[in-house]
Amino acid sequence: QKEVEQNSGPLSVPEGAIASLNCTYSDRGSQSFFWYRQYSGKSPELIMFIYSNGDKEDGRFTAQLNKASQYVSLLIRDSQPSDSATYLCARGGGADGLTFGKGTHLIIQP
Amino acid sequence: DGGITQSPKYLFRKEGQNVTLSCEQNLNHDAMYWYRQDPGQGLRLIYYSQIVNDFQKGDIAEGYSVSREKKESFPLTVTSAQKNPTAFYLCASSMRASGREQFFGPGTRLTVL
Repeated sequence: QKEVEQNSGPLSVPEGAIASLNCTYSDRGSQSFFWYRQYSGKSPELIMFIYSNGDKEDGRFTAQLNKASQYVSLLIRDSQPSDSATYLCARGGGADGLTFGKGTHLIIQP
Repeated sequence: DGGITQSPKYLFRKEGQNVTLSCEQNLNHDAMYWYRQDPGQGLRLIYYSQIVNDFQKGDIAEGYSVSREKKESFPLTVTSAQKNPTAFYLCASSMRASGREQFFGPGTRLTVL
């Protein structure tokens, strides 16, 4: 099973704080990882991807990949109420495209 | 504008009917996908296609059928054999199948009456 695991939440974070979302995966052969944001009733929107060990920053978002420990994280700095959404982690590497986790529901409290 | 379109946005089906969901992309992507999402659940892969005139079953293909006659189009038919079709259906595409980021259409919400 090439699974991707996420804590479903909800994860509640005060406005202005750092939100930390985590994801683990079972397939050591996975090469690429993606974070999608999904607002209620809408389709997923790609916000970050990471291929190499370490950190990748894009604005308020930082993706972290640790292949030895098989986890991927997404940090959201200066959290805003508009960041409240479900965040889906996905891994790539297979011919059938991406394997998605079930998502973490994030709530930013004003 | 480049993107992925799905129609209709909402669809109601009577039991025993087949319905077809449309997905079109103008991103020149080779690979296209259909997912199903149930409330509080992740995305489950129904079918995918890496190239025109070829497609493969995903994890939950039973009761569904697809075609890929054109690069831009990947319609999904929900047949009467699908016992619990009420769900949010998402179409996605990527430059190629293996490991690349996917971009999603706006989705079709199907309800069986």
